[in-house]
Amino acid sequence: GIQVEQSPPDLILQEGANSTLRCNFSDSVNNLQWFHQNPWGQLINLFYIPSGTKQNGRLSATTVATERYSLLYISSSQTTDSGVYFCAVDYSGGGADGLTFGKGTHLIIQP
Amino acid sequence: DAGVTQSPTHLIKTRGQQVTLRCSPKSGHDTVSWYQQALGQGPQFIFQYYEEEERQRGNFPDRFSGHQFPNYSSELNVNALLLGDSALYLCASSLWGAEAFFGQGTRLTVV
Repeated sequence: GIQVEQSPPDLILQEGANSTLRCNFSDSVNNLQWFHQNPWGQLINLFYIPSGTKQNGRLSATTVATERYSLLYISSSQTTDSGVYFCAVDYSGGGADGLTFGKGTHLIIQP
Repeated sequence: DAGVTQSPTHLIKTRGQQVTLRCSPKSGHDTVSWYQQALGQGPQFIFQYYEEEERQRGNFPDRFSGHQFPNYSSELNVNALLLGDSALYLCASSLWGAEAFFGQGTRLTVV
């Protein structure tokens, strides 16, 4: 099956810093989503971005499907940004196989 | 819009017992997928239901089964529980092949 690798696995930053999280995938994908998992386990949708660039406030994401990677940018980090960020891909046409997740990036923002 | 709702939120079962978890999809969604997330790992795809049929299945044994009802809600059943089945179980809903949205999860502990 498809492999999804996220880097870095852990990231500790001071409040106000910027960060870039990376997601590499081993095959062509139809869909790619970024999620933030809060301490209670809820997966919060950040971006649905099979290709191109999107922005939402302090967050933006870019997916280069031809080179099989996606980047999540967080600017002016806040302590509430702490948590685990997951990249997930669907590489089968028609959404038939569910999402394959990476192992996540654990982000800690210190005050 | 209530979003994706799961019940119960927490559950403790004894090894060998059976458990049923429930999921109500986001309004307008017709596809429900189930995932298992072990501590410190990304979610793993169990199976997906569309039009009341199991469409795809991940690498999980037959002890894991499910059902989708005409109102698109879904159940996940696990028989003969093992200690290793302890995990966060996540339900996601979507329109077929589109962006997935997750519920808050059911945390299952097998003792």
